[in-house]
Amino acid sequence: GAVVSQHPSRVICKSGTSVKIECRSLDFQATTMFWYRQFPKQSLMLMATSNEGSKATYEQGVEKDKFLINHASLTLSTLTVTSAHPEDSSFYICSARDGKTYEQYFGPGTRLTVT
Amino acid sequence: AQSVSQHNHHVILSEAASLELGCNYSYGGTVNLFWYVQYPGQHLQLLLKYFSGDPLVKGIKGFEAEFIKSKFSFNLRKPSVQWSDTAEYFCAVGRGNAGNMLTFGGGTRLMVKP
Repeated sequence: GAVVSQHPSRVICKSGTSVKIECRSLDFQATTMFWYRQFPKQSLMLMATSNEGSKATYEQGVEKDKFLINHASLTLSTLTVTSAHPEDSSFYICSARDGKTYEQYFGPGTRLTVT
Repeated sequence: AQSVSQHNHHVILSEAASLELGCNYSYGGTVNLFWYVQYPGQHLQLLLKYFSGDPLVKGIKGFEAEFIKSKFSFNLRKPSVQWSDTAEYFCAVGRGNAGNMLTFGGGTRLMVKP
């Protein structure tokens, strides 16, 4: 089946620094990728939609200057959390939509801890 | 705006028991409905989805769900659960092209006792 990977799986960073999370579709081309955030014991919340070669579309309440998304190729999208704060600590999950089948596949997630 | 409610936060069943997990949604447009499962330590996997047609949808691993438009519901069922069904289950409503922009319910943690 289709595989979506995320790197890193866990990251700890200091407050004020930036951290980049990668999302890759390993065996299909993803014209669209989605970034979700999951707080402990809560559900996933869509942050933004990332389209290859164009600007991301952010959900209401998500700061686009804080959560920078780049989708430079059909297999890679990156989420950069800029000037991270402890409240940004969360589980970030990406999903990728297969450009041919429109099926959506989820990555394993990245746990970010900001100290 | 869309919203999805899952009424059961935690469910504990014995093996061979029947399962029904509730899901209600609010959305004014055409709905695309999904059930996802997340096994411990693993990523989200699609169990089944409804876009149109037969409101009774069959998914993987013996799961099925019924779309009842008048009740705004999409409940998940399995006639006989197994220990391996222990997981967290998420109902979701999709919007956008192909319904991929998902609004998730709060999730239901299912524990199946052997």
